Amino acid sequence: DAGVTQSPTHLIKTRGQQVTLRCSPKSGHDTVSWYQQALGQGPQFIFQYYEEEERQRGNFPDRFSGHQFPNYSSELNVNALLLGDSALYLCASSRLEDEQFFGPGTRLTVL
Amino acid sequence: GESVGLHLPTLSVQEGDNSIINCAYSNSASDYFIWYKQESGKGPQFIIDIRSNMDKRQGQRVTVLLNKTVKHLSLQIAATQPGDSAVYFCAEGLSGYSTLTFGKGTMLLVSP
Repeated sequence: DAGVTQSPTHLIKTRGQQVTLRCSPKSGHDTVSWYQQALGQGPQFIFQYYEEEERQRGNFPDRFSGHQFPNYSSELNVNALLLGDSALYLCASSRLEDEQFFGPGTRLTVL
Repeated sequence: GESVGLHLPTLSVQEGDNSIINCAYSNSASDYFIWYKQESGKGPQFIIDIRSNMDKRQGQRVTVLLNKTVKHLSLQIAATQPGDSAVYFCAEGLSGYSTLTFGKGTMLLVSP
């Protein structure tokens, strides 16, 4: 049984560009949460998707948006990239309020 | 992989020692708490959790202590092994809300 998978592993973009990150949840999980982890910091909650809708949102601007598909996989989109968006983006899946399992993350570098 | 441990508090121990990692949480309304282990280049891995109606919970080689009076959480690792070397994060949450708020993390270095 595969755990949470994320793609791509690494990504380099320039300021102003847009990026899409992908997450496949662990089998049997229906909820996906996204976190941003800056170097040397703990993960910060971006938003959570359940039943294809955004259920909760952290303190992130509208440039950060997401989507959940009928198969529970999810995408994180970031528009108008800033240098400060460089971070490790983590996806976590769960059965709604149960324990969250994290993927390995996507390392985004904005130049 | 890249280190997640830059500028983090560091605890250095010898193999076989007991380790204690501390965390001050922020929200007095939080009612569940989790410890995660994050190795370089990987996502956080669940270690142990505790609900606010408990003050101690034990797992395999790990114990979590919760002091709600001073909003303090600690993780005790018995007989620390080199494979325990990682960054450890505490996280707090509210029942009914899946959002987790993470602390800043502590890097544990275990010498053979």
